[in-house]
Amino acid sequence: GEDVEQSLFLSVREGDSSVINCTYTDSSSTYLYWYKQEPGAGLQLLTYIFSNMDMKQDQRLTVLLNKKDKHLSLRIADTQTGDSAIYFCAEKGYSTLTFGKGTMLLVSP
Amino acid sequence: GAGVSQTPSNKVTEKGKYVELRCDPISGHTALYWYRQSLGQGPEFLIYFQGTGAADDSGLPNDRFFAVRPEGSVSTLKIQRTERGDSAVYLCASSFSGREQDTQYFGPGTRLTVL
Repeated sequence: GEDVEQSLFLSVREGDSSVINCTYTDSSSTYLYWYKQEPGAGLQLLTYIFSNMDMKQDQRLTVLLNKKDKHLSLRIADTQTGDSAIYFCAEKGYSTLTFGKGTMLLVSP
Repeated sequence: GAGVSQTPSNKVTEKGKYVELRCDPISGHTALYWYRQSLGQGPEFLIYFQGTGAADDSGLPNDRFFAVRPEGSVSTLKIQRTERGDSAVYLCASSFSGREQDTQYFGPGTRLTVL
């Protein structure tokens, strides 16, 4: 089956850029997602990208997709302490999502 | 209406007991999904409903797990003879029609603890 992999932890200083990486295995995935989870909370959709795109920008967020290498990244510009959370990459089969284990982002002042 | 809601937010039960977890999707969403998130892991798919019927239940771990959605809105996930390994956060999501391009919106989850 599909397997989505992410690095487990990233620490940055406030104001820096954060880059969270993800690799996926299902080349037929047409949509790829980034979700954010704060402690004790559900999953908040951040952004998504369609597989025929290689970049999508949404305010401070930039998603890059390298379909050949099955590599997805999320860049957060001007990272704030409120961005501290776990970030999940997910690929979409026809109806269901397959998630990575999540990357914990810690932003220090 | 409002987002996806789930009740209870926390459930503590004893091994061997029966539990029911409820999900109320976004109004008008025909597709509903259940996922399970164990500690330190990403959510894992359990079951997907399109309307009243289970369109895909391939993620249910065994026959102790069952889910219903009798009127195509609220869904209940039922777990019989609970085991300690069932302890996890159970997440519900809904989407407008279940088509590939539809985004899934998640509820806050129910944290189940089996003692």
